[in-house]
Amino acid sequence: SQQGEEDPQALSIQEGENATMNCSYKTSINNLQWYRQNSGRGLVHLILIRSNEREKHSGRLRVTLDTSKKSSSLLITASRAADTASYFCATDAQGGSEKLVFGKGTKLTVNP
Amino acid sequence: DSGVTQTPKHLITATGQRVTLRCSPRSGDLSVYWYQQSLDQGLQFLIQYYNGEERAKGNILERFSAQQFPDLHSELNLSSLELGDSALYFCASNPLGGRYNEQFFGPGTRLTVL
Repeated sequence: SQQGEEDPQALSIQEGENATMNCSYKTSINNLQWYRQNSGRGLVHLILIRSNEREKHSGRLRVTLDTSKKSSSLLITASRAADTASYFCATDAQGGSEKLVFGKGTKLTVNP
Repeated sequence: DSGVTQTPKHLITATGQRVTLRCSPRSGDLSVYWYQQSLDQGLQFLIQYYNGEERAKGNILERFSAQQFPDLHSELNLSSLELGDSALYFCASNPLGGRYNEQFFGPGTRLTVL
């Protein structure tokens, strides 16, 4: 069953705009990760934020985590057509589980 | 390129058949994870192996089995295939699951059951 739920399911923006995707989850976590998937291809790890962190940056990516609300957001700044992909949040669960539980993803389209 | 390889890339077979998907983890990674991605179920964890031993099991059907060999490559066996087994099957690896659990995904095997 899905732990994370991304919002929105689909997002269409113009190049240069910022894209914000949200993720909510249900149980306590050790960390939350964001992955990207180009159409029908493998997942690429973008960023990991630990449960004791509130914000993390990597290049044009900014991730926030609010464990009290069990939610995270991924911001992509100055988007490019090449950012067009599906974005998934994934969580593990406290208690030693190493499997990742993925949300259904946000499909981002960046129009040139 | 994540360093994880999967073969074959595409597989088309008929209902009732059996197939084997192969995964080679990144050099040095001891943990291998298998995931299934379908339109209706999304990305689902199937099973994890660590250094040859089964470590965690998810929503894996009894018709499916996996193993990890001494050279650390892994195989996922799917038998008595049904139409609903059509999906993308991903393998991922990391050095040791641990608390900070970034996983490196292969390109996937697309299975089509006709």
